[in-house]
Amino acid sequence: GAVVSQHPSRVICKSGTSVKIECRSLDFQATTMFWYRQFPKKSLMLMATSNEGSKATYEQGVEKDKFLINHASLTLSTLTVTSAHPEDSSFYICSARDRDRPFYGYTFGSGTRLTVV
Amino acid sequence: QQQVKQSPQSLIVQKGGISIINCAYENTAFDYFPWYQQFPGKGPALLIAIRPDVSEKKEGRFTISFNKSAKQFSLHIMDSQPGDSATYFCAASIIGSARQLTFGSGTQLTVLP
Repeated sequence: GAVVSQHPSRVICKSGTSVKIECRSLDFQATTMFWYRQFPKKSLMLMATSNEGSKATYEQGVEKDKFLINHASLTLSTLTVTSAHPEDSSFYICSARDRDRPFYGYTFGSGTRLTVV
Repeated sequence: QQQVKQSPQSLIVQKGGISIINCAYENTAFDYFPWYQQFPGKGPALLIAIRPDVSEKKEGRFTISFNKSAKQFSLHIMDSQPGDSATYFCAASIIGSARQLTFGSGTQLTVLP
């Protein structure tokens, strides 16, 4: 089945530094990937839609300059949290859809727990 | 128009019992309705999905019931096991578009041994 690899699974960084999270589709090509943020005991909140070879589309209220998204290939999208602050601490999850099998839905990565100290 | 409403927020079931989670949607353009299972610290995993041309889909102990006229769908977990304890999310989307899934608010299921 479709597999999405997300790294790192956990990261602790100092306030003011930047952190990069990678999301890779291992056995399929994904023209579109999605980045979510999830707070404890809450649903997934879509942050942005990442399109291969073009700029990401951000949801309302998500700071483009803080959450930089790059989708340079059909199998890789990255989310960089710039100048991280404690309020950016959260669980970040990526998702990808197989462009050749849209009915098979969206495959999620295992998530990244970001802690900013 | 884009909302998917999910209930209950939490559910406690005895081992061997039936767990039922309900969702309702508003956008009649939705044509793909998946259920995801999420364990703590992990990403959601696709459990089962249905399209509106069928009223029921069963995979092992998991069944989706779909009522197109009422714009509702539900997940039934038969013979619930402690290992089923997780958070369950319903979702909806439009297959033909590249748009994201619209998620329900989630149901935290606890199956008591």
